[in-house]
Amino acid sequence: EAQVTQNPRYLITVTGKKLTVTCSQNMNHEYMSWYRQDPGLGLRQIYYSMNVEVTDKGDVPEGYKVSRKEKRNFPLILESPSPNQTSLYFCASSMDSNYGYTFGSGTRLTVV
Amino acid sequence: SQQGEEDPQALSIQEGENATMNCSYKTSINNLQWYRQNSGRGLVHLILIRSNEREKHSGRLRVTLDTSKKSSSLLITASRAADTASYFCATDGGSYIPTFGRGTSLIVHP
Repeated sequence: EAQVTQNPRYLITVTGKKLTVTCSQNMNHEYMSWYRQDPGLGLRQIYYSMNVEVTDKGDVPEGYKVSRKEKRNFPLILESPSPNQTSLYFCASSMDSNYGYTFGSGTRLTVV
Repeated sequence: SQQGEEDPQALSIQEGENATMNCSYKTSINNLQWYRQNSGRGLVHLILIRSNEREKHSGRLRVTLDTSKKSSSLLITASRAADTASYFCATDGGSYIPTFGRGTSLIVHP
C-alpha cells in the first residue's frame, strides 16, 4: 500500500531530551515536507526537501533539524525540545509539483 | 508565512445543501491544491488546479481559480454528513512547495 509512515504516533517527553520522529514513504517521491499543526494556526511548514541531500527551511524551522540521506526517509530531529514544540506533526511526500501530497497519520508530541 | 487564507473559518449546513469555501492568496502561484482533514488525522488531497486552469471537477467537488483576483473556491454539492471535516487550500507561491492556510471547518448536519 502506498503510504507515508510516521513514528511514533504519540510521544510525551521532557524538556531538553533529544528526540527523532521518523518518516518514511514507499512511493519513490522526490518531495518531502514536515508540518506542525496548532489550534488556530493551521499547518505551518518546518522543513522541506526536493531531493536527496537537499533540504530547505520552511516558515518555522527554529529548534528543528532534518536530514535526507535516502529518498524514502526524512526524519525530524528535535535536539533540545521545549514546551512550545508541543504540537501535532505531519510528514508529507509528493512525486513533484504536479501532484498533491500524501500525508502521514501524524505524531502528537507533548513536551513537559 | 501562510500564503493562502480560507473563508469562512467555519461553515454549518444541512445535509443535501451545497457548501462553498473560498481561498485567497497573496503572490503568484504555479498551482493551488485543496485538502480535507478529518479531526486530528492526516490531510487527504482532493484537487490540484494549475495556474492556467480556471475550473476543475472531481465527483461532487468543483474548484475554480481566478488568478487575477488571487482567489479560489471549493464547492461541495449535495453535501453529506461524511463531508464534515476541515478543508485547507495550499498554494506554492511559485516555489512548488505548498503552504497551507488555517482552514475552513465544515459541519454537515444529518
